[in-house]
Amino acid sequence: GAVVSQHPSWVICKSGTSVKIECRSLDFQATTMFWYRQFPKQSLMLMATSNEGSKATYEQGVEKDKFLINHASLTLSTLTVTSAHPEDSSFYICSARKLAEHNEQFFGPGTRLTVL
Amino acid sequence: GQNIDQPTEMTATEGAIVQINCTYQTSGFNGLFWYQQHAGEAPTFLSYNVLDGLEEKGRFSSFLSRSKGYSYLLLKELQMKDSASYLCAVMDSNYQLIWGAGTKLIIKP
Repeated sequence: GAVVSQHPSWVICKSGTSVKIECRSLDFQATTMFWYRQFPKQSLMLMATSNEGSKATYEQGVEKDKFLINHASLTLSTLTVTSAHPEDSSFYICSARKLAEHNEQFFGPGTRLTVL
Repeated sequence: GQNIDQPTEMTATEGAIVQINCTYQTSGFNGLFWYQQHAGEAPTFLSYNVLDGLEEKGRFSSFLSRSKGYSYLLLKELQMKDSASYLCAVMDSNYQLIWGAGTKLIIKP
């Protein structure tokens, strides 16, 4: 199998606080993990590509100091939304690609973030 | 630039057949994916085409023509649970997925 988990599933926080979201590949090793954001009724928007042991590559328009990504192991990547504001409220989804495979990405179940 | 086009919304009747088209222009091509996404959930993998032709998997089939930059997803014997968004995505030369905006499929009894 190829299972990806995310934690938490949903989170509500106050404006100005930081929130950490974890993405884990449970039964495979993932050299590459991807972080997406999806606003209601819109498609997935790639935020950054995370490679184990190196710095993440951010897409244009995504603030790297606001969305901190750490990919410390082959099974875990974390996204920290720093100083969250209401406009950061969204559905955050991670996906993982298997070691040495270039095709399919396996998606986590997503994290619903609401910033009050 | 890179571009994926698919219809915004389609409506079909339970038990019928529907075809969702996707056209693409990308820098390189390493395969085309179709994903299903129910509201509030993450996408789930449906199909992957890298060679021309039709791939059949149960009630779902996916077709690819690389020369035309075109794919379609065919859903047969539609069920109410098939109501969802269907996302077309192309993997470019850098193995990055380029996503379409998705097609919202509404199934009516």
